[in-house]
This record gives sequence, structure tokens and C-alpha cells, in this order.
Amino acid sequence: QKEVEQNSGPLSVPEGAIASLNCTYSDRVSQSFFWYRQYSGKSPELIMSIYSNGDKEDGRFTAQLNKASQYVSLLIRDSQPSDSATYLCAVNMFGGYQKVTFGTGTKLQVIP
Amino acid sequence: DGGITQSPKYLFRKEGQNVTLSCEQNLNHDAMYWYRQDPGQGLRLIYYSQIVNDFQKGDIAEGYSVSREKKESFPLTVTSAQKNPTAFYLCASSGGHRYSNQPQHFGDGTRLSIL
Repeated sequence: QKEVEQNSGPLSVPEGAIASLNCTYSDRVSQSFFWYRQYSGKSPELIMSIYSNGDKEDGRFTAQLNKASQYVSLLIRDSQPSDSATYLCAVNMFGGYQKVTFGTGTKLQVIP
Repeated sequence: DGGITQSPKYLFRKEGQNVTLSCEQNLNHDAMYWYRQDPGQGLRLIYYSQIVNDFQKGDIAEGYSVSREKKESFPLTVTSAQKNPTAFYLCASSGGHRYSNQPQHFGDGTRLSIL
């Protein structure tokens, strides 16, 4: 079992819809969780951090964390073609020395 | 502006040659990291450093070497022992003390190819 798992996609949504991206992780003691956006040929860009159970909203983005079920998700409301990218889920597996494990990413396509 | 600078943007390596990728940050971050990304794959950790003059091997350290003589700099050398070096190399840094959970921030990356 991979430590951090994401569906590779592509996930296709129409413009204006809600895109839902999911991530599961294997280590129950994981402390912190991050979502990165990576455009083709570019480096990852941090879009959300979440540390405690529940929802965290930032503009059109909402991160949801459920530690009991070991999943973290990212919702993108009012999806725009510019949101088309690969979204990487990252998990700090040990909560200590900042060694973060990345998922392989979900490719999102927003159709105009 | 604060950030992470990687150079060069593109690099070509000849057979048997060692090449060094530069990574400099002015964010005053303690921890720095090197990742490798292959097409369609996730990020794999090569080396990381939590403090000056100390670094640890990641998951795929063979064929690579690093140094951390200054807080701001964490260069990566791809040695001739790395037989498949073609990839996108990403440097990252994160702040806070050893037990904090600060996110990593990335430079723009270096694309390395074999001539």
C-alpha cells in the first residue's frame, strides 16, 4: 500500500462546477497535510495547509481533513479553465522533522 | 522578494560527467530538500538537510551528493554513478524549528538531460 494515494485522473469537470479531489494516507500519526497545484512543466505551488479535523476555506478552495478515516480532500468551487493542473497531496508522516511524502497527483481538466 | 532560486533552468550532462545544480534561498529557512520528478510521477526525495553542516539521505540518494555549508545554499551534484539522471529536479525549503509543521516551498526547478 502506498503511503499517500491519489487517483491519477484525469478528472474532468465543466467550468463553474465543483471539483473534488481526494487523498488517502496510511500513517495514523500524520500531523499535517498540504495541497499543491502543479501546472505542466512548472514546479509545485502550495495552495492549502490543514492540520486539524474539519474544513478549512480559502477563497474558492476548501480542504477537508478526516483523521479517523485517514483522508484529506480538496474542493474547488466555481472551477475555471485556469484551474486545470495536477494537484499533489502531501502528508507530513511523522510530525517532526518535516519529511513530507507526496502523492503522485490528480490531473484536473476544467472544460470551458 | 524572498524565494528559492534554482539554476540553471536547463542542464545537459555528458557521459561520465558530474554536474552540480544550484539552490539558494533567502527565506531564512532551516530545512532544505532535493526532489526528483519523472514524467507522470510524483516527487521522490533525494536528500534533505535540517541544519547547516548536516544532511540525510532520502529515498533515492544513490548517485547523488549534497553539501550544506551555508544556511542559504544546498547544492546537489549528480554524479556519473547516476545512470538515469534525466528528470526534473526540484529544490524546496521550509521554516520553523525541527518539530514544526511548516509547508515546503519550491524553486522553479532544473531540467537535466543526457547529451
